[in-house]
Amino acid sequence: GAVVSQHPSRVICKSGTSVKIECRSLDFQATTMFWYRQFPKQSLMLMATSNEGSKATYEQGVEKDKFLINHASLTLSTLTVTSAHPEDSSFYICSVDGGNTIYFGEGSWLTVV
Amino acid sequence: AQSVAQPEDQVNVAEGNPLTVKCTYSVSGNPYLFWYVQYPNRGLQFLLKYITGDNLVKGSYGFEAEFNKSQTSFHLKKPSALVSDSALYFCAVRDEAGTALIFGKGTTLSVSS
Repeated sequence: GAVVSQHPSRVICKSGTSVKIECRSLDFQATTMFWYRQFPKQSLMLMATSNEGSKATYEQGVEKDKFLINHASLTLSTLTVTSAHPEDSSFYICSVDGGNTIYFGEGSWLTVV
Repeated sequence: AQSVAQPEDQVNVAEGNPLTVKCTYSVSGNPYLFWYVQYPNRGLQFLLKYITGDNLVKGSYGFEAEFNKSQTSFHLKKPSALVSDSALYFCAVRDEAGTALIFGKGTTLSVSS
């Protein structure tokens, strides 16, 4: 069964609005989760490392005020895309650090119109 | 800094033939190496990993990979390809400190009947 649940799988929002994507660890408690972004037919680019109970660590070039990450519990991390613009349209994937293996969610397609 | 190279954008094989998808890596210290597969519009599925031990690692769906420290390679192999193996394959690496996975650009595998 699924180890990581990601919701919603698809979302369409209007330009200027905010949208929240949830990532849940189903099988174990996760102190660390990761958020990636993937453009069509391209690789996954790490956006940030989400740490339970503390601030996320963002990769260079990722706007922390635009991509808000909250990891309030050991099973839930959320990514909020604020004031979304069409260029934010992408496939967002979360992953959970299971120790020696990292598990991925099914991803969320965001389309900003 | 860690990096992964997948030199082939696409690999084409006939069903029943052996397949190889190449991956080389660069990391400080001992590498943790992974292969994932992605089907269209889906998240990533874990195939196999190398942490330590035998250089030949067996994974899901009949795939295996061989860790070669001297060549810093971790090529994915399968003795007999299936049409259903057609997908996008990613090699990834993390270091001993347990940082996030860093991905290669991906290789599209196309298996013809």
